Amino acid sequence: DADVTQTPRNRITKTGKRIMLECSQTKGHDRMYWYRQDPGLGLRLIYYSFDVKDINKGEISDGYSVSRQAQAKFSLSLESAIPNQTALYFCATGREVTDTQYFGPGTRLTVL
Amino acid sequence: TQLLEQSPQFLSIQEGENLTVYCNSSSVFSSLQWYRQEPGEGPVLLVTVVTGGEVKKLKRLTFQFGDARKDSSLHITAAQPGDTGLYLCAGHRDDKIIFGKGTRLHILP
Repeated sequence: DADVTQTPRNRITKTGKRIMLECSQTKGHDRMYWYRQDPGLGLRLIYYSFDVKDINKGEISDGYSVSRQAQAKFSLSLESAIPNQTALYFCATGREVTDTQYFGPGTRLTVL
Repeated sequence: TQLLEQSPQFLSIQEGENLTVYCNSSSVFSSLQWYRQEPGEGPVLLVTVVTGGEVKKLKRLTFQFGDARKDSSLHITAAQPGDTGLYLCAGHRDDKIIFGKGTRLHILP
């Protein structure tokens, strides 16, 4: 079984809809991250969490919110999706910032 | 402002050739990582370099961290089609990680 899983893997939605992307990990790591990847822009950090009670905004948090339901679960929500949020979204976990980041397989989100 | 610049953005070469890709910054990083990402998958860590001037080898891949800890290079000897992918560098500073935009490498058989 994969260490980091993301659901759904693909999603097509319409402008204005609320969307939730979910991430689960079995690595036992405290730190979890949400990134989005766009062609030519690389990986950009949306939110990160150092433990269940510690949530931090990343580089591009506007239009997104997160919830850390447990050590193993970190979900990303788009309250009202817009087309420029069309991207590949990755969840990652790690022990320390300088340690390996373990990425999930990604969610491809299309907002029409 | 992009703190980590990767070059070239794209590289397509024949199998068996050697190549070097670069990751440059004007900022000092406490450590730097290289990841490889294949289509439909998340990035996977290749190496972490910590000390200025450090060189690490992973089979045909050689990674070097600059003496001033501001840049890094990845050299591939005798490239193979299996080396095809997106290579990302990531720098660590002040408990944060910053990714470059990546070099997309295509090895032609």
